Amino acid sequence: GQQVMQIPQYQHVQEGEDFTTYCNSSTTLSNIQWYKQRPGGHPVFLIQLVKSGEVKKQKRLTFQFGEAKKNSSLHITATQTTDVGTYFCAAPGDSGYALNFGKGTSLLVTP
Amino acid sequence: EAGVAQSPRYKIIEKRQSVAFWCNPISGHATLYWYQQILGQGPKLLIQFQNNGVVDDSQLPKDRFSAERLKGVDSTLKIQPAKLEDSAVYLCASSTGPRNTEAFFGQGTRLTVV
Repeated sequence: GQQVMQIPQYQHVQEGEDFTTYCNSSTTLSNIQWYKQRPGGHPVFLIQLVKSGEVKKQKRLTFQFGEAKKNSSLHITATQTTDVGTYFCAAPGDSGYALNFGKGTSLLVTP
Repeated sequence: EAGVAQSPRYKIIEKRQSVAFWCNPISGHATLYWYQQILGQGPKLLIQFQNNGVVDDSQLPKDRFSAERLKGVDSTLKIQPAKLEDSAVYLCASSTGPRNTEAFFGQGTRLTVV
C-alpha cells in the first residue's frame, strides 16, 4: 500500500519552542490527513489537506501540503505541555481506499 | 453523538488461543476500519469495509485473522490462533465514506498474548 514516511521519529522541546514534523511520499497523494494521539489514547483527527500548496491554520498549528502533493508538514508555534503526543500523517493507499498511517512523530514538551 | 464503541478494553490470552473483538461504529457511518497498533508504531490497516463489503484487506494475515461486518453495522475481528507478535492495540474506526473523510477512532482493545 501507499507508504508515507515521517521525520523525525522523536522530538523533545522546551515549552515555548516551535516544533515541526514532516511527512513524505514517493508518489502523488490525493489528500493527506493529520491525527494526534495522546499517550494512552486513540488517534484524533486534526485536519485534511487536499489542494496543491494548501496551507491551513488551527490556532498555533499550521499545516501545509506541498506543491507536488508529495509532502506535508505540521508546525506548532510556541509549544505547550498540552501538545504532548504523537502526530501521524495518513494518506489513501494505491487503491484510493485504504487510509495508511505513517509511523508518527512523538513530541515531548518539558516545562 | 455516540462515538465508536469497542469491547473488550483489555484481553490477555495464551498463544494459540483464539480471541474476538467487537466494534460498533458511529451511526450512519458506512466505512469501518480495523487497525493494529503495536507499541511505538503507527496504526497498521488490517481491513476496511464499505457497508458489509470488503474494500481493502491487503495487509490482513488471512491465515489467522478474519473479520466480518454482517448487516453493514457492527463488526468483529477474530484471531485464531494467536501468536506472541499479535500483542498490540486493535483500533476500530469509522467514517461517513470510503475516501477523503475523517476517521473516528474507538478507544481500542489492548491484547496481550503470553
